[in-house]
Amino acid sequence: SQQGEEDPQALSIQEGENATMNCSYKTSINNLQWYRQNSGRGLVHLILIRSNEREKHSGRLRVTLDTSKKSSSLLITASRAADTASYFCATDERTNAGKSTFGDGTTLTVKP
Amino acid sequence: EPEVTQTPSHQVTQMGQEVILRCVPISNHLYFYWYRQILGQKVEFLVSFYNNEISEKSEIFDDQFSVERPDGSNFTLKIRSTKLEDSAMYFCASSEEAGGYEKLFFGSGTQLSVL
Repeated sequence: SQQGEEDPQALSIQEGENATMNCSYKTSINNLQWYRQNSGRGLVHLILIRSNEREKHSGRLRVTLDTSKKSSSLLITASRAADTASYFCATDERTNAGKSTFGDGTTLTVKP
Repeated sequence: EPEVTQTPSHQVTQMGQEVILRCVPISNHLYFYWYRQILGQKVEFLVSFYNNEISEKSEIFDDQFSVERPDGSNFTLKIRSTKLEDSAMYFCASSEEAGGYEKLFFGSGTQLSVL
């Protein structure tokens, strides 16, 4: 798999349900970041988790990082229709500080 | 919250023409980046810039591309002779610290269409 690969590619849920997206990567990293992108718009930074952290919360977002498995998950709790967007993980590798490698993204649709 | 601003939001050009995409990073940020996203594909790193020089560049960033910080506020990406495959959304980003340790703030992008 490629660096920063998300799954599933697409996720469709009902409002109020939780959404979980996963990201896997291959190399050692400094940190991992999650971004959101509404259709045709810019990237909005959601959360950054450093390589020495295991879990981080921000509002309805919960991110976990397992460096032994080289994977991360993003959980959105109590989803809303406005959460409909594409979500990307991006990794910053130890050998390439300053260069973020993005995954293909998960397209989340939250139905009202 | 402070923002990275990009102009124009849309740019249409003829193949072979030169384009300059402009960005105003957040004022106290020191690290600047260009990324691009071809329609339906992932966001790709182009170049990082610090202390008035390129820190790192990708394979995509060949001789037709150049970056400049012409004054204290603007950061530009120049594509010298555009090709059809340069059509993409181009994102500028900035960070206070090196991008490996700090979050990136992205602009809303410039949609470049090469005809």
